[in-house]
Amino acid sequence: DQQVKQNSPSLSVQEGRISILNCDYTNSMFDYFLWYKKYPAEGPTFLISISSIKDKNEDGRFTVFLNKSAKHLSLHIVPSQPGDSAVYFCAASWSTDKLIFGTGTRLQVFP
Amino acid sequence: DVKVTQSSRYLVKRTGEKVFLECVQDMDHENMFWYRQDPGLGLRLIYFSYDVKMKEKGDIPEGYSVSREKKERFSLILESASTNQTSMYLCASGGEGLQPQHFGDGTRLSIL
Repeated sequence: DQQVKQNSPSLSVQEGRISILNCDYTNSMFDYFLWYKKYPAEGPTFLISISSIKDKNEDGRFTVFLNKSAKHLSLHIVPSQPGDSAVYFCAASWSTDKLIFGTGTRLQVFP
Repeated sequence: DVKVTQSSRYLVKRTGEKVFLECVQDMDHENMFWYRQDPGLGLRLIYFSYDVKMKEKGDIPEGYSVSREKKERFSLILESASTNQTSMYLCASGGEGLQPQHFGDGTRLSIL
């Protein structure tokens, strides 16, 4: 049973516009959420995280929003750049337990 | 620059072979992880280690074992490779908790 779901396998966005990547989870005990970015032929790199005590965390062009009641988090990239084209994984954990990853969303930013 | 290094980028082996995937980190991290990445399934944890000679099963440990004889090195072993173990294997390390901070570039393993 997939506890962390990314229902959109791919997303295409024009350069300069906003990219919104979504992630849903089923386990209400999750209290820490992360986003990773992965380029082809490279390992994932940590992008941004959020604790369940917050509903928003911002780092430059990247903002993560958490809606605990809906068990939903989203990553906003504004403005989107061609270098943002990659696969994005959301991940969740409970306390200090291991991370559960989503299936990934491939973002393509075109000129 | 911090680094997690996986010994091979591509590997082709035959069914039934014993396969070793090696990973080295230079950050003095306590925790090391092995994941596999498959289309539509995301990253799944195979094994992790929180100290030298200590290991814990992840979500899909069947058919795999691991070795951590030194802090910087974590090996994944396929005891008798099977075609369903064809995958991208990712090693990672982390300092606190069970959240990987740095990943290697991956080993794409094909079992024929």
